[in-house]
Amino acid sequence: DAGVIQSPRHEVTEMGQEVTLRCKPISGHDYLFWYRQTMMRGLELLIYFNNNVPIDDSGMPEDRFSAKMPNASFSTLKIQPSEPRDSAVYFCASTSGQSSYNEQFFGPGTRLTVL
Amino acid sequence: QKEVEQDPGPLSVPEGAIVSLNCTYSNSAFQYFMWYRQYSRKGPELLMYTYSSGNKEDGRFTAQVDKSSKYISLFIRDSQPSDSATYLCAILGDALIFGKGTTLSVSS
Repeated sequence: DAGVIQSPRHEVTEMGQEVTLRCKPISGHDYLFWYRQTMMRGLELLIYFNNNVPIDDSGMPEDRFSAKMPNASFSTLKIQPSEPRDSAVYFCASTSGQSSYNEQFFGPGTRLTVL
Repeated sequence: QKEVEQDPGPLSVPEGAIVSLNCTYSNSAFQYFMWYRQYSRKGPELLMYTYSSGNKEDGRFTAQVDKSSKYISLFIRDSQPSDSATYLCAILGDALIFGKGTTLSVSS
């Protein structure tokens, strides 16, 4: 298995632009998580899905952030409009609910810079 | 109080040293405790997990949970330059709750 795939790996954009981050989870995993990592705040959970349904989006910072999971093999995180304070590394992770301790497998991350 | 607290370091040690990394947590109901390792510009990877209290050993790594003190530790024996990474503790609640991570540098 190729693991969790994220694209793009790097994104540089200007304030006000729309940004879309993409994630392909590991086949067979029924949970998908979006995280944001910064030096100041560490790794923060933004939202997670179970069987394509959003379960908890309480970590989504503002209405500018939205996430979708149209099918079991694809999810997007969208920021519209983007702001400089959104600059961070965004990780997608997936896991199987069959695991009692829910080991999460992380993608390589998307490094977002908003100018 | 945050649910998981972790000293961010950084921590610098010479090769061969014993390293101790620690976290405290607030909710006594937590049962699964994990350590993830994150190399620079990579995603975190699970290193070890422990259920409830006690110790778990895997090679040079030992994970320890003290539920009475709400304290978890990761010990690295005979540390190697390849251990240089950020170590994040994580606790399983409704979802994984991560500490901020401690950055470790092992010099040869």
